[in-house]
Amino acid sequence: AQSVTQLDSHVSVSEGTPVLLRCNYSSSYSPSLFWYVQHPNKGLQLLLKYTSAATLVKGINGFEAEFKKSETSFHLTKPSAHMSDAAEYFCVVSDSLGSSYKLIFGSGTRLLVRP
Amino acid sequence: DGGITQSPKYLFRKEGQNVTLSCEQNLNHDAMYWYRQDPGQGLRLIYYSQIVNDFQKGDIAEGYSVSREKKESFPLTVTSAQKNPTAFYLCASSPGFSGRKETQYFGPGTRLLVL
Repeated sequence: AQSVTQLDSHVSVSEGTPVLLRCNYSSSYSPSLFWYVQHPNKGLQLLLKYTSAATLVKGINGFEAEFKKSETSFHLTKPSAHMSDAAEYFCVVSDSLGSSYKLIFGSGTRLLVRP
Repeated sequence: DGGITQSPKYLFRKEGQNVTLSCEQNLNHDAMYWYRQDPGQGLRLIYYSQIVNDFQKGDIAEGYSVSREKKESFPLTVTSAQKNPTAFYLCASSPGFSGRKETQYFGPGTRLLVL
């Protein structure tokens, strides 16, 4: 079975500094990996996804993630944090579900951006 | 405007009462899903539907029921058998069930509270 572990429950950065949100996955085959963002009391928005093409994936709002098979990691980064980036971020892996599939969510990382 | 709508935004349930959460999509997606989110946790799959008139249990289906009579609609009923229903409920859809690369798109959520 697939699983994801988000290594930090909370991350705090100053506005304008880099963001790093860490995610490790466990997979018995080549995974499909996603990062979603959730602002307070809102639904989830897809930031980016990896599906075995380029290992460096660029997403919306300046975010990107690098798939590293040797480290089983899929960390999310952004060069310069903005106040509007404050939200909860979920690392997600796709797993088989009989003849179809389902999403397995990490427990989330709450990003706080200080002015 | 294409998207997923959920109503109501907030819902209050009395002891022993069944309540129904609405989910509608106009994206022409075949597959729809219901997730439950508890504080500090990722999302857990309640039910999913690959096609009209068909649905399957997810990881935490006990105390819930669904129907899929129309492609656009996938209502979730929280029954009195669900002893701890207080949570944030998210509906999602995806174009199909073609594989693990499929992206799921989320609605804005319904917060259910018990009186």
